[in-house]
Amino acid sequence: SQTIHQWPATLVQPVGSPLSLECTVEGTSNPNLYWYRQAAGRGLQLLFYSIGIDQISSEVPQNLSASRPQDRQFILSSKKLLLSDSGFYLCAWSVLGQPSNEQFFGPGTRLTVL
Amino acid sequence: DAKTTQPPSMDCAEGRAANLPCNHSTISGNEYVYWYRQIHSQGPQYIIHGLKNNETNEMASLIITEDRKSSTLILPHATLRDTAVYYCIVSSNTGKLIFGQGTTLQVKP
Repeated sequence: SQTIHQWPATLVQPVGSPLSLECTVEGTSNPNLYWYRQAAGRGLQLLFYSIGIDQISSEVPQNLSASRPQDRQFILSSKKLLLSDSGFYLCAWSVLGQPSNEQFFGPGTRLTVL
Repeated sequence: DAKTTQPPSMDCAEGRAANLPCNHSTISGNEYVYWYRQIHSQGPQYIIHGLKNNETNEMASLIITEDRKSSTLILPHATLRDTAVYYCIVSSNTGKLIFGQGTTLQVKP
């Protein structure tokens, strides 16, 4: 069966510090991978979308970046965090071409930037 | 991708049917209607999807109007555990889902 992992579960970082969040998927090959952010009391915002290794689309301009060094590994990074980067970061995967378009979400990382 | 309009909040009595509406008047012919829900502090969970026909699964029913400009998600017997934010999304089968603000459903005892 497929599983998705995210770590860390929670993170408190000072403004200006770097960030690296990791997401890995098991039990499937060549998944679509996604990074979302949810600010407090807000809806989910799609940040990045990847259909394959080193193939990443950025959905919104920001100081974050994403990388996919391996088929089932998706990393979200920042060189210098802003206060506005605080939020709940969710990684998800799906299989392209399935009519259900079902996305499976990880447990999330709650980031607080102070 | 077409946008959707949902009421920001709704209440439902436990054991009664919850009917969550969604307007998507600009939906294109190749776009599906998807419903997800998010229970507090968790990632969203897929519920159901449809193109033209009404759909039913073990979680819910989806009723799509003939002109496809609106739909209703029905939870036939709501429980307290159904309290969540429900998202209606329209999208072609490209993989990308754009989440709006959703409807916060509060199921009350």
